[in-house]
Amino acid sequence: DAGVIQSPRHEVTEMGQEVTLRCKPISGHDYLFWYRQTMMRGLELLIYFNNNVPIDDSGMPEDRFSAKMPNASFSTLKIQPSEPRDSAVYFCASRSTGGINEKLFFGSGTQLSVL
Amino acid sequence: QKEVEQDPGPLSVPEGAIVSLNCTYSNSAFQYFMWYRQYSRKGPELLMYTYSSGNKEDGRFTAQVDKSSKYISLFIRDSQPSDSATYLCAMRTGANSKLTFGKGITLSVRP
Repeated sequence: DAGVIQSPRHEVTEMGQEVTLRCKPISGHDYLFWYRQTMMRGLELLIYFNNNVPIDDSGMPEDRFSAKMPNASFSTLKIQPSEPRDSAVYFCASRSTGGINEKLFFGSGTQLSVL
Repeated sequence: QKEVEQDPGPLSVPEGAIVSLNCTYSNSAFQYFMWYRQYSRKGPELLMYTYSSGNKEDGRFTAQVDKSSKYISLFIRDSQPSDSATYLCAMRTGANSKLTFGKGITLSVRP
């Protein structure tokens, strides 16, 4: 298995532009998580899905952030409009119900820079 | 006070040293405890997990939990340069699937 695949690996954009981050979870995993990591705040959960349904989006910082999971093999995190304070590494992670609850499989992340 | 506090680091030790990494937490509902390891430019990966107070050993790694003091530790024996990474503690209650992470500590093991 190729693991969790995220794209792009790096994204540089200007303030006000729309940014879309993409994630392909591990096949068969029914939980998908979006995290954001910064030096100041560490790793923060933004939203998670179970069977493609959003379960908890309380970590989404504001309405500029939205996430979708149209099917079991694809999810997007969109920021519109982007701001410099959104600069961070965004991770997608997945796990299966039958697996160890603690074992999240993370992608390699998207490094986002908003100028 | 944040729910999970982790020693800020960074930490630099010589090869072969014993390393102690620590986290404290304030939410007594946390029941499940983990350590994740994150190499540079990679996502975190699960290193160890435990559900109970006491020690759990896996090779050179020992995870220790003290629920009465709300304190967890990770010990690394005979540290190697390949152990150089950021270590994040994480924990969850039994009620849902959310993990709460510490901010992480960056460890460097000098050859």
